[in-house]
Amino acid sequence: DAGVIQSPRHEVTEMGQEVTLRCKPISGHNSLFWYRQTMMRGLELLIYFNNNVPIDDSGMPEDRFSAKMPNASFSTLKIQPSEPRDSAVYFCASSSPAGTDTQYFGPGTRLTVL
Amino acid sequence: EDKVVQSPLSLVVHEGDTVTLNCSYEVTNFRSLLWYKQEKKAPTFLFMLTSSGIEKKSGRLSSILDKKELSSILNITATQTGDSAIYLCAVGRSGGSNYKLTFGKGTLLTVNP
Repeated sequence: DAGVIQSPRHEVTEMGQEVTLRCKPISGHNSLFWYRQTMMRGLELLIYFNNNVPIDDSGMPEDRFSAKMPNASFSTLKIQPSEPRDSAVYFCASSSPAGTDTQYFGPGTRLTVL
Repeated sequence: EDKVVQSPLSLVVHEGDTVTLNCSYEVTNFRSLLWYKQEKKAPTFLFMLTSSGIEKKSGRLSSILDKKELSSILNITATQTGDSAIYLCAVGRSGGSNYKLTFGKGTLLTVNP
């Protein structure tokens, strides 16, 4: 089975540009999570969806960040406008409908904002 | 706010040594504690411990949950260089459709040949 798929794997952009990160969860999983990882702050939950509905977005840093899940197999995380402090690795993870807490992570997108 | 603290922050050992990594937590309505291994990529799942499964073992790795002390340990015996990674601990809480995890900052383990 394919795991969680993320694109792009690397993104380098200039401050002020819009960035869109994409995620395809494991087929059949109905919970999807977006995380950001930095050396200073570790792994932080930004937002998560259950059955395509945002459940908790309290980790979204500010209004520049937005996330959508238009269907069960696709989600986006958008940053507009991007800033250098947004540079991090962004992970998407999904978990199964059985309600287990085990989350499976995608390979991540390394974002660099110059 | 849920809190997960891991110790030590980093550890350097030689191949063949045994290591113990620690994780303590404060969470309302605890449901599960998970261990992940992260090499130069995404975290990969190792174990999940719950009230009904407080001890898990897989090869040289084992983990125990102490609900009284609100903590867990991850043991790795006969370490190998391939065990070098960041080990992350996370806790989940029960309640409705709340499946989010709170992660600790991790322990960086370096195994030298």
